[in-house]
Amino acid sequence: DTEVTQTPKHLVMGMTNKKSLKCEQHMGHRAMYWYKQKAKKPPELMFVYSYEKLSINESVPSRFSPECPNSSLLNLHLHALQPEDSALYLCASRQGLAGSNEQFFGPGTRLTVL
Amino acid sequence: AQSVTQLGSHVSVSEGALVLLRCNYSSSVPPYLFWYVQYPNQGLQLLLKYTTGATLVKGINGFEAEFKKSETSFHLTKPSAHMSDAAEYFCAVTNSGGSNYKLTFGKGTLLTVNP
Repeated sequence: DTEVTQTPKHLVMGMTNKKSLKCEQHMGHRAMYWYKQKAKKPPELMFVYSYEKLSINESVPSRFSPECPNSSLLNLHLHALQPEDSALYLCASRQGLAGSNEQFFGPGTRLTVL
Repeated sequence: AQSVTQLGSHVSVSEGALVLLRCNYSSSVPPYLFWYVQYPNQGLQLLLKYTTGATLVKGINGFEAEFKKSETSFHLTKPSAHMSDAAEYFCAVTNSGGSNYKLTFGKGTLLTVNP
C-alpha cells in the first residue's frame, strides 16, 4: 500500500465550528506532514511529526492543533477558523526525517470557512 | 538556505511538441531535487527525483530531468506532450546534510497542452 488517504475530501465550516481533518498511511513511514495550499501557490509547510512527536511547527496559529495518535494516523483539529484559512490541506508522509526519500502526498481536504 | 526558481509561471505547448519546464536551485550543500505534478483538486504526485549518481533521471509518464551542477539547474523535459500532461508542476529541493525534513518548492509552472 503506497497511498496516503485523507478525509473528508471537502469540508465547509463556520467560524465558530470545531472540526478535524484526518490523514492515514500504512507504508510504515515515521515522518508525517501537514501543508496548507492556496490557489495557484505551492504548498506551505505547517507541521512535521517524527516518530509521533511534533518536530516542527512553522509558527502556525493556535486555532490549528495537530495530533498524531499513532504512527499511521495524523489529525488536524480546527477551531475558530477565519475565512482566509480556506485552502487545500495536504498531508504527506516520508520514511524518516533524513535521507533522500521523497514525500508521499495525500489527495487533500478542500476546506471552506464561511 | 535553499531556494528554487521556476522560470515561467505558465507554459503552453501543442500536443506532440517538446515540453521543457525550467528549474534553477540554490543550495549551500549538495541538493536532493524533485519534480512533482499536481492535477486540479488533487495532491502532489512525484514525477522523478535526483539524489546522487546518474545526472539524467527518468521518471513516470515519459518525463526526464537532468541535474547540471555547473548551471544549478534541474529542467524537466518530455519529448512529446499529451493532453493528459496538462497540470501544475512543482520543482522542489532539500539538502543532503543532517535532518533535511523540509522541501522548498518553486512557485510552480502551469502546463497547458493545446490540441
